[in-house]
Amino acid sequence: QSALTQPPSASGSPGQSVTISCTGTSSDVGGYNYVSWHQQHPGKAPKLMIYEVNKRPSGVPDRFSGSKSGNTASLTVSGLQAEDEADYYCSSYVGNNTCVFGGGTKLTVL
Amino acid sequence: QVQLQQSGPGLVKPSQTLSLTCAISGDSVSSNTATWNWIRQSPSRGLEWLGRTFYRSKWYNDYALSVKGRITINPDTSKNHFSLQLNSVTPEDTAVYYCVRAGSYFSFDPWGQGTLVTVSS
Repeated sequence: QSALTQPPSASGSPGQSVTISCTGTSSDVGGYNYVSWHQQHPGKAPKLMIYEVNKRPSGVPDRFSGSKSGNTASLTVSGLQAEDEADYYCSSYVGNNTCVFGGGTKLTVL
Repeated sequence: QVQLQQSGPGLVKPSQTLSLTCAISGDSVSSNTATWNWIRQSPSRGLEWLGRTFYRSKWYNDYALSVKGRITINPDTSKNHFSLQLNSVTPEDTAVYYCVRAGSYFSFDPWGQGTLVTVSS
């Protein structure tokens, strides 16, 4: 199973919005509403930010939102803050009880 | 609050077996709603889901094709933990290994602290 495609980098100024894409196929992202997004700060374990395309776990700020159109899922971070600077990874169920991750996007807050 | 605490050696010789354990607090390995996963991360392979174990009236396992045949994930109900064994390791298996709880369909939360495992003689 091939990894999902993410842009290697994204950036925005404090207070702005930035959107990160995650492109797959009809066999993964497009075929199921089971896309998740994880945030990872350097040296730390990833943290779940969005699951099932657009649901936020308790404690995740509503500045983080998810969506999907066709084979591409997106994570939008609104009102950028310095602490949002991190790596972001998408993942998707791909059938046959397995899943796959994206290659990751480094978000820089300018 | 669910917490996962990993343990195991950080150095394994080529051709030998990598073994890690994940102790669960705040939940049960026999939960009927959670799955218990191992995921690794390396610069060359990124994040890679390896497999899971879970209980739904009986025990099930699912494994990634990339490691199938070399991997075993086992629950231990007496200790409320689960383990990873990866056989015949090579330097390509060098990575940070995480144990992770998930709900249905791979919503991974929370993650263990991670263990860097280096495969080297």
